[in-house]
Amino acid sequence: DGGITQSPKYLFRKEGQNVTLSCEQNLNHDAMYWYRQDPGQGLRLIYYSQIVNDFQKGDIAEGYSVSREKKESFPLTVTSAQKNPTAFYLCASSRGGARGRETQYFGPGTRLLVL
Amino acid sequence: AQSVTQLGSHVSVSEGALVLLRCNYSSSVPPYLFWYVQYPNQGLQLLLKYTSAATLVKGINGFEAEFKKSETSFHLTKPSAHMSDAAEYFCAVGYSGGGADGLTFGKGTHLIIQP
Repeated sequence: DGGITQSPKYLFRKEGQNVTLSCEQNLNHDAMYWYRQDPGQGLRLIYYSQIVNDFQKGDIAEGYSVSREKKESFPLTVTSAQKNPTAFYLCASSRGGARGRETQYFGPGTRLLVL
Repeated sequence: AQSVTQLGSHVSVSEGALVLLRCNYSSSVPPYLFWYVQYPNQGLQLLLKYTSAATLVKGINGFEAEFKKSETSFHLTKPSAHMSDAAEYFCAVGYSGGGADGLTFGKGTHLIIQP
């Protein structure tokens, strides 16, 4: 079964700690995305990558970092610089090409909570 | 700049009644339009997508949406609501042209189904 997996489902962060969220896809998609979802605010783009070893900042990249060393994987690190990290994080992928044209497929999400 | 407005953060309908979720967009280039559904603590699932092939788009689970250029709208409808339709619905506008492309999500509408 092709799809996107995210782990863990829940993640707890202590003050000053960096945490990494995992995203893996087996859809053979070129493009991958990270979104942050807060209640009543829709989805906001953090980072995206359209090809291995390349990624671009989205609308709210401050306090986050990513890597794209493999086509299948696009991990997101929430750094200590992100002062309000509590949110639901969604990873998505698409075939590639124009971001606005291609359908994005989403993983099940990771909920990050601050202790 | 592209934007999406979903009228009504919460919509309540009775089981068996018509579902109407409103979406208006602004786009400087011909848009691609999407409706996604999100069940609690899950990722987003594509309901349907408008790509200019036909103004009336049929999606999964009995939903459909009509693209009205003159009204810049892409409202989502279902003739008869079912309890399983209770979820969050997101409209998104994709754009590609003029050297830029991307996908913008609305803030979402929470659909409540009353028995």
